[in-house]
Amino acid sequence: AQKITQTQPGMFVQEKEAVTLDCTYDTSDQSYGLFWYKQPSSGEMIFLIYQGSYDEQNATEGRYSLNFQKARKSANLVISASQLGDSAMYFCAMREGWSTDKLIFGTGTRLQVFP
Amino acid sequence: NAGVTQTPKFQVLKTGQSMTLQCAQDMNHEYMSWYRQDPGMGLRLIHYSVGAGITDQGEVPNGYNVSRSTTEDFPLRLLSAAPSQTSVYFCASSLLAVSSYNSPLHFGNGTRLTVT
Repeated sequence: AQKITQTQPGMFVQEKEAVTLDCTYDTSDQSYGLFWYKQPSSGEMIFLIYQGSYDEQNATEGRYSLNFQKARKSANLVISASQLGDSAMYFCAMREGWSTDKLIFGTGTRLQVFP
Repeated sequence: NAGVTQTPKFQVLKTGQSMTLQCAQDMNHEYMSWYRQDPGMGLRLIHYSVGAGITDQGEVPNGYNVSRSTTEDFPLRLLSAAPSQTSVYFCASSLLAVSSYNSPLHFGNGTRLTVT
């Protein structure tokens, strides 16, 4: 069964520094997609970035990039130049295969950015 | 753009009461789903649907019913509320993976439910 593991319950980072949020996954399928979401204190879920298992390059979206290491089954989110507004919960999720639409989520990492 | 609309935003129920959480999307998404979010447990899938008339169970379906009579609406019904169902509930929708494999889930703003 597919599984997403986020081992960091909480992380601290100083403003303007980079931070890496860890995500490992377990799947027997060769085709899968990995997603990261941000949940600020207001509660909404915001899609950040996507990485497909066949994508040759690491995904990037502005200050967000995904460090995708397929052999290690890891898909870490890197936030560069952290801002106070980046303080939030971050969830890693996986869609296994193209015939299933279900997303399975990790337990999340709470990031706090301090001045 | 309305996106995914959930109502109500907050609800308090007594044990044994029933209620329906409403979810509607205006993006013509075939896939819709319900999650519950509990501290330390992430988001867990309750039920999902890949189109009108088609529903299936997720990871934690017990105590909940769903139906999908239209593409737009996917209500979640609590049959007999229990304190263990105190949670934040999210409705989410997306295009089907077979047509758009990188389609992310679009979430509603959530319903905070307390069962006393």
